[in-house]
Amino acid sequence: QKEVEQNSGPLSVPEGAIASLNCTYSDRVSQSFFWYRQYSGKSPELIMSIYSNGDKEDGRFTAQLNKASQYVSLLIRDSQPSDSATYLCAVGNSGYSTLTFGKGTMLLVSP
Amino acid sequence: GAVVSQHPSRVICKSGTSVKIECRSLDFQATTMFWYRQFPKQSLMLMATSNEGSKATYEQGVEKDKFLINHASLTLSTLTVTSAHPEDSSFYICSARSGLGSSGGASVTGELFFGEGSRLTVL
Repeated sequence: QKEVEQNSGPLSVPEGAIASLNCTYSDRVSQSFFWYRQYSGKSPELIMSIYSNGDKEDGRFTAQLNKASQYVSLLIRDSQPSDSATYLCAVGNSGYSTLTFGKGTMLLVSP
Repeated sequence: GAVVSQHPSRVICKSGTSVKIECRSLDFQATTMFWYRQFPKQSLMLMATSNEGSKATYEQGVEKDKFLINHASLTLSTLTVTSAHPEDSSFYICSARSGLGSSGGASVTGELFFGEGSRLTVL
């Protein structure tokens, strides 16, 4: 049984701070890792994908992957109230396999 | 990113009726689409994998005769909730993958893009 674990939160940070979201996964052969943002009542929106160990930066977002520790994280710099949402971690294997989603971490950024 | 469009965004129907939801990939061909369901404050639950030109693959516990999936073309998949009941009220979301990713020269699972979702309310 493939599992993706996330702290449900809420994670509360003040505006301008760095928000750190974490995710662990159970399947050692996982090769594809994604972070999605989901606003209340809306469908998930892809923020970042990462496939190799290390950091990947895109604007205010940085994804970090450590396959040895089976750990992936998302850092949001200069957090804004508009970043308040649920962040879903998703993990996949090779080819056209399905993704396994975590239950998501709710982030609240206060003005 | 790739665009996946879903219609209708909201539907209200009477108990016992059937509802069809369409999912289209607008700027790419999708041989595989995925249908998810999400209840309030719950995580995404994969219902089925829709394969173009063949039968869908349903997850355990999902009734294939109740949730009919048709993937007649590379850009369109439909989900029909038959004889809907109030307990079927939920947020239904389709998704599609635009291609494969690449890592170290190997093909890996590509990015998955979601439609806008369809909120079904069965009275």
